[in-house]
Amino acid sequence: DIQMTQSPSSLSASVGDRVTITCQASQDIGNFLNWYQQKPGKAPSLLIYRASNLQAGVPSRFTGSGSGTDFSFTISSLQPDDFATYYCQHYDDLPPTFGRGTKVTIK
Amino acid sequence: EVRLVESGGGLVKPGGSLRLSCEASGFSFKNYSMNWVRQSPTKGLEWVATISGSNNYIYHADSVEGRFTISRDNAKNSLYLQMNSLRVEDTAVYYCTRDRVSYGLVDVWGKGTTVTVSS
Repeated sequence: DIQMTQSPSSLSASVGDRVTITCQASQDIGNFLNWYQQKPGKAPSLLIYRASNLQAGVPSRFTGSGSGTDFSFTISSLQPDDFATYYCQHYDDLPPTFGRGTKVTIK
Repeated sequence: EVRLVESGGGLVKPGGSLRLSCEASGFSFKNYSMNWVRQSPTKGLEWVATISGSNNYIYHADSVEGRFTISRDNAKNSLYLQMNSLRVEDTAVYYCTRDRVSYGLVDVWGKGTTVTVSS
């Protein structure tokens, strides 16, 4: 199975900050990479698909980039609703695998 | 509104069985591949099984192969997961999910159902 290494595992930031999370695949996955947001007690929600495509209804402050093995996810200006855990996930083949998550908390 | 509603979770002893169900609404169920994904504090998010829209392709993760079986009934807009020989490490929240276009591009998640395996 392809391993997804996500970092950092947690970060503390303030409203308005720019936040970047990275994800590295153990082998080339092209651009078959998704980013999800999960709030406590809720299911994950798709934010970015195919590395850089914004899911319908998702604010434009969320962006994704990268290809091959190295990917990044950025929130350009952190909002109160963005405090959550974020996961990367590849879907280059089965099984898709997830990173361990990045918990974004309030500084 | 697109919805996935899971049911069937609960407390079961090691070696026991459970059948999870997922009722889909708001979209043409037969046109989408579907999955079960689970989440636990120890293992995080873990892919469990996938089934194509037409039932002609099925995948089970190595960790559940031979113990779990994914199935679907397109006439009932329903997805199932039969879980046998349950282990303590199968304890998790189980999510029913929908793929968009590609296997693994999950665009819809249910709220999840909790399975606890404990003696």
